[in-house]
Amino acid sequence: QSVLTQPPSASGTPGQRVTISCSGSSSNIGSNYVYWYQQLPGTAPKLLIYRNNQRPSGVPDRFSGSKSGTSASLAISGLRSEDEADYYCAAWDDSLSGQVFGTGTKVTVL
Amino acid sequence: QVQLVQSGAEVKKPGASVKVSCKASGYTFTSYDINWVRQATGQGLEWMGWMNPNSGNTGYAQKFQGRVTMTRNTSISTAYMELSSLRSEDTAVYYCARARVKGGFGELAPYYWGQGTLVTVSS
Repeated sequence: QSVLTQPPSASGTPGQRVTISCSGSSSNIGSNYVYWYQQLPGTAPKLLIYRNNQRPSGVPDRFSGSKSGTSASLAISGLRSEDEADYYCAAWDDSLSGQVFGTGTKVTVL
Repeated sequence: QVQLVQSGAEVKKPGASVKVSCKASGYTFTSYDINWVRQATGQGLEWMGWMNPNSGNTGYAQKFQGRVTMTRNTSISTAYMELSSLRSEDTAVYYCARARVKGGFGELAPYYWGQGTLVTVSS
């Protein structure tokens, strides 16, 4: 069972802004970096955000991350059809001594 | 460019073991930690553990302790994940994934991913 909680779904029309939340605790998000992944159907996950709000090269600046206390968020602005995918947050958990992933959010572009 | 190439799909009977390989190229294999993550069909990502290819040190998720073993062969830049006492619930795609940078546990999160290996457990 995941210790990071995400909404199961989110949606928007092209061009809109969509935000996905990730709720954790003091032992994971509260004390460690948050990462965000995008997973297109049938493919391996792709890192979108590292260290809470940093984008790897090649990731569009439409994707942005933030963190406050024991929660984090991923925002997708200027939503595009190719953004339709599953999104996962992740963080190290000091109590579990392991990496934990969020429950995942399916983004639909209407 | 960094590449992680995993071994092919496996079909195993309940109670058997499976060993998945992950061959790294495009970087110094011993310099970056390797994670193993699995995903059952239609389900989320589940972290299984990590290995430091230089020292061989490992850390396993509590759920898999006693059943999983992560090893490496540095001469061929290959990491391995062996899971024993397989049951139907272990049917999943198994991924190896390299950390983005060298660092503490907070930097362990996967960056480069293998293509995944489907392991099917069925009698």
